[in-house]
Amino acid sequence: DIQMTQSPSSVSASVGDRVTITCRASQGINSWLAWYQQKPGKAPKLLIYAASSLQSGVPSRFSGSGSGTDFTLTISSLQPEDFATYYCQQANSFPPTFGQGTKLEIK
Amino acid sequence: EVQLVESGGGLVQPGGSLRLSCAASGFTFSDHYMDWVRQAPGEGLEWVGRTRKKANTYTTEYAASVKGRFTISGDDSKNSLYLQMNSLKTEDTAVYYCARVVVITNDALDIWGQGTMVTVSS
Repeated sequence: DIQMTQSPSSVSASVGDRVTITCRASQGINSWLAWYQQKPGKAPKLLIYAASSLQSGVPSRFSGSGSGTDFTLTISSLQPEDFATYYCQQANSFPPTFGQGTKLEIK
Repeated sequence: EVQLVESGGGLVQPGGSLRLSCAASGFTFSDHYMDWVRQAPGEGLEWVGRTRKKANTYTTEYAASVKGRFTISGDDSKNSLYLQMNSLKTEDTAVYYCARVVVITNDALDIWGQGTMVTVSS
């Protein structure tokens, strides 16, 4: 199975900050990577697909980049509603696997 | 409105069985691949399995942790997906989500249900 490793596991930031979360795959996955946001008690929400494509309705302050094994999710200017846990997921090969999550907390 | 609604969760003893349902509305689920994903309390997301319909036949794939115990099926007439869980273990305790797979987005999961809690405990 492909292992997905996110860093950091948690990060504290302030409203208006720029935040970058990294996801590394244990082998190449081309651009078969998605990013999800999850708030407590809620289902995950798709933010980014195909590594860098913004899902419809998601604010443009979210962006994704990368290909192969290294990927990033960037939030350009944090808003109060962005404090949540973020997961990456690879779909290049079965089984699809998720990163362990990055919890974004208010500083 | 496009949505998924899960039901059927609850408390079950180890070794028992449970069937979860996922009702789709606003789209025809058999036109899409559909996944089950679970999340143990306080933990991350774990893919459970997938169903896809090709040439009027459903095919399924499962995570190693549930293969042989869980079965995914669908009912076109009810626009619903099911997860039959047998020989349940305490480590199967989790919130179970069904989600729609969108092939043109490199298999991203674009619609998720609200989840249904399964607790396996004596």
